[in-house]
Amino acid sequence: GNSVTQMEGPVTLSEEAFLTINCTYTATGYPSLFWYVQYPGEGLQLLLKATKADDKGSNKGFEATYRKETTSFHLEKGSVQVSDSAVYFCALSKEGGRRALTFGSGTRLQVQP
Amino acid sequence: DADVTQTPRNRITKTGKRIMLECSQTKGHDRMYWYRQDPGLGLRLIYYSFDVKDINKGEISDGYSVSRQAQAKFSLSLESAIPNQTALYFCATSDRVIAGGSTDTQYFGPGTRLTVL
Repeated sequence: GNSVTQMEGPVTLSEEAFLTINCTYTATGYPSLFWYVQYPGEGLQLLLKATKADDKGSNKGFEATYRKETTSFHLEKGSVQVSDSAVYFCALSKEGGRRALTFGSGTRLQVQP
Repeated sequence: DADVTQTPRNRITKTGKRIMLECSQTKGHDRMYWYRQDPGLGLRLIYYSFDVKDINKGEISDGYSVSRQAQAKFSLSLESAIPNQTALYFCATSDRVIAGGSTDTQYFGPGTRLTVL
């Protein structure tokens, strides 16, 4: 079946540091890939997505590239801010299938001033 | 107003009680989902519905039931709550997949924190 593996957190960074959160997946066919973000006390919000190999999703300074050869979708940001502190979830959705999203376990990011 | 609302936001109940969590959406989406979130486990799918007459079990449906009362409403019930159902529950919606197009985005409600004593 489909699965998503994320690096464990928490990840603690200083403001303006470079961020990488690793995500790898297992799926048959060609899933769509997503990063969702959950701010404290809130629901999940879509951060970015990519629907085919070599696509790059980007939003709010975050980027992730769909790498089919390494089955990865790592999240990066060049300069994090305190306001980026949240839990980040990698997820996949099998295009054309009836399944809903399959999520990774989430990575908590803490950015210190 | 929020597009996806959940009620209640917090609930504490006792073992054996029947609980209903409600979800409403104003996005006009056909598809609705219920997930639970546990620390370190991410979100796991409980049930999903592609329209009012199409309801499907997810990966952890045991102990839960659902009702799709209308396109905009999707309720989750715990017939006899037990402590390991203590979790954060999320409702989500999405539009149908466009033929030949990409999978659409899911939109989440704010969550219901349920504690079963």
